[in-house]
Amino acid sequence: KAGVTQTPRYLIKTRGQQVTLSCSPISGHRSVSWYQQTPGQGLQFLFEYFSETQRNKGNFPGRFSGRQFSNSRSEMNVSTLELGDSALYLCASTPSEAAKNIQYFGAGTRLSVL
Amino acid sequence: QKEVEQDPGPLSVPEGAIVSLNCTYSNSAFQYFMWYRQYSRKGPELLMYTYSSGNKEDGRFTAQVDKSSKYISLFIRDSQPSDSATYLCAMSVYNQGGKLIFGQGTELSVKP
Repeated sequence: KAGVTQTPRYLIKTRGQQVTLSCSPISGHRSVSWYQQTPGQGLQFLFEYFSETQRNKGNFPGRFSGRQFSNSRSEMNVSTLELGDSALYLCASTPSEAAKNIQYFGAGTRLSVL
Repeated sequence: QKEVEQDPGPLSVPEGAIVSLNCTYSNSAFQYFMWYRQYSRKGPELLMYTYSSGNKEDGRFTAQVDKSSKYISLFIRDSQPSDSATYLCAMSVYNQGGKLIFGQGTELSVKP
């Protein structure tokens, strides 16, 4: 079974631009969560989607948004990029509602904002 | 103060040593406890998960949860150079399953 797939793997943007990252969960997984990982703050929860609905949201500004499609694939968007948005963005999926606390991660998208 | 505290290390041990990694937490509502391993330039890989208190063993790895002390541990027996990675503890409340709270991660180096 293929794992969580994130594209692209690397991205370079400039301040003020916007960016869209994509995540395909493991086949059959319906819940997708997004995290930001930085050396200073570690892994921080961004949001969770289940059945195309945002179910949970972390403490990030409104510039960070996401969505989920009917096939469970998810995208996150960051508008008006800031230098501090440079990070590894990780997507994770869960196998079932009964095991929604168990998450499997993709390799991440490394975003650099110049 | 962070909800989950983890010593970032780095921790360096000789091959074959027993490694002990620990996290403390402040939120008594946490019920699920996970350990992830992350190699450089990779995503976190789930190693162990435990519900509530108790011990769980999987090969060379043992996870312990002490909810009364708000303390969790991961033990690695017969450590190998391939175990060199960053180890992250993570926790969640049952009804917020999609939201994991992570420790800062401990960087482990196992020397041949």
